[in-house]
Amino acid sequence: GDSVTQMEGPVTLSEEAFLTINCTYTATGYPSLFWYVQYPGEGLQLLLKATKADDKGSNKGFEATYRKETTSFHLEKGSVQVSDSAVYFCALVYNQGGKLIFGQGTELSVKP
Amino acid sequence: DVKVTQSSRYLVKRTGEKVFLECVQDMDHENMFWYRQDPGLGLRLIYFSYDVKMKEKGDIPEGYSVSREKKERFSLILESASTNQTSMYLCASSLLSAVGEETQYFGPGTRLLVL
Repeated sequence: GDSVTQMEGPVTLSEEAFLTINCTYTATGYPSLFWYVQYPGEGLQLLLKATKADDKGSNKGFEATYRKETTSFHLEKGSVQVSDSAVYFCALVYNQGGKLIFGQGTELSVKP
Repeated sequence: DVKVTQSSRYLVKRTGEKVFLECVQDMDHENMFWYRQDPGLGLRLIYFSYDVKMKEKGDIPEGYSVSREKKERFSLILESASTNQTSMYLCASSLLSAVGEETQYFGPGTRLLVL
């Protein structure tokens, strides 16, 4: 079945470090891909998305490129801040109607 | 501004109790979803609904039921709570739209402890 696999956390970085959170997927057809972020004590919110191969989603300095050949959607940021500390979820839509499949989440902790 | 609200942030219930979790959205969205979130497992879909009075099972519906009597409200019911239902419950909603446009908007979550 369709699935999403993320790198395990927690990931701990110093402020201004480069961030990569790996995400790979298996799916039939051509899913849309999403990154959601969950700040402490809050629900999830959409960070960025890409709907077709080679699309790049970006928001708040974060980027991810939909790579069909490697079935990946890795999240990157050039310089993280303490305020980026959160749990990040990669997800895909596996058929029409909006049912998302989530990865297990990766906790990011950024130290000053 | 988009808003999904959940009736409680924290709940403590006893084994065997009937538990109601309420979710309300003010965006006139057709789709609504209930997930549970557990460490290391991500989010798992319990039930979802595409329209009033309509419901579909998700990946882990056992021990749960839902009700959608009005478009803006989607209730999750634990018929007889058990300790393995201790979890964070998240409600979400989205527009019924073309594939790829299904941004889901989440509520803040209800942390349920079953003793």
